[in-house]
Amino acid sequence: GAVVSQHPSRVICKSGTSVKIECRSLDFQATTMFWYRQFPKQSLMLMATSNEGSKATYEQGVEKDKFLINHASLTLSTLTVTSAHPEDSSFYICSARGDSEASYGYTFGSGTRLTVV
Amino acid sequence: AQSVTQLDSQVPVFEEAPVELRCNYSSSVSVYLFWYVQYPNQGLQLLLKYLSGSTLVKGINGFEAEFNKSQTSFHLRKPSVHISDTAEYFCAVSDRGGSYIPTFGRGTSLIVHP
Repeated sequence: GAVVSQHPSRVICKSGTSVKIECRSLDFQATTMFWYRQFPKQSLMLMATSNEGSKATYEQGVEKDKFLINHASLTLSTLTVTSAHPEDSSFYICSARGDSEASYGYTFGSGTRLTVV
Repeated sequence: AQSVTQLDSQVPVFEEAPVELRCNYSSSVSVYLFWYVQYPNQGLQLLLKYLSGSTLVKGINGFEAEFNKSQTSFHLRKPSVHISDTAEYFCAVSDRGGSYIPTFGRGTSLIVHP
């Protein structure tokens, strides 16, 4: 079945630095990828939708300059948290959808636990 | 726009007992329905999905769910749970004719006691 690989699984960074998280679709071409943020004991909050070769669409309230999303190829999307602060600490999850999966559910990465100290 | 309500934030149950996790949705259009499971510090894994056809859907790990259009519900059930079923469960809905982007419920924490 479809597999999405997300790296790193955990990262600790200092306040003010930037962190890049990668999301790869391993056995299918993901025309659309999604980035979610999850706070403890809460549901997933959609941050942005990225389509290969075009700018990401951010949800209301998400700072596009802080959360840079690049979807340079059909198998790779990256989320860069720029100038990270402790309040950016969270669990970030990507998901991907290929053309043939428009109505069949989404494949999720294993998530990245970001801790900003 | 659609929304999902998971009525129980936490469901404790003893091992080998049956369990039902409730999910209700609202939408102005026809929908697809999903249940996902999330283990600690991991992403979401698809348990089952309802796209069309039979309203009783069987998924992985012995789970099943029934789509009830009149009650706008999609409750998840398992006749006998295991300790390993302890996890967070999310119900999700996406509209058939739009963006397909799923809307998630707040999640239900299933806690299986020995």
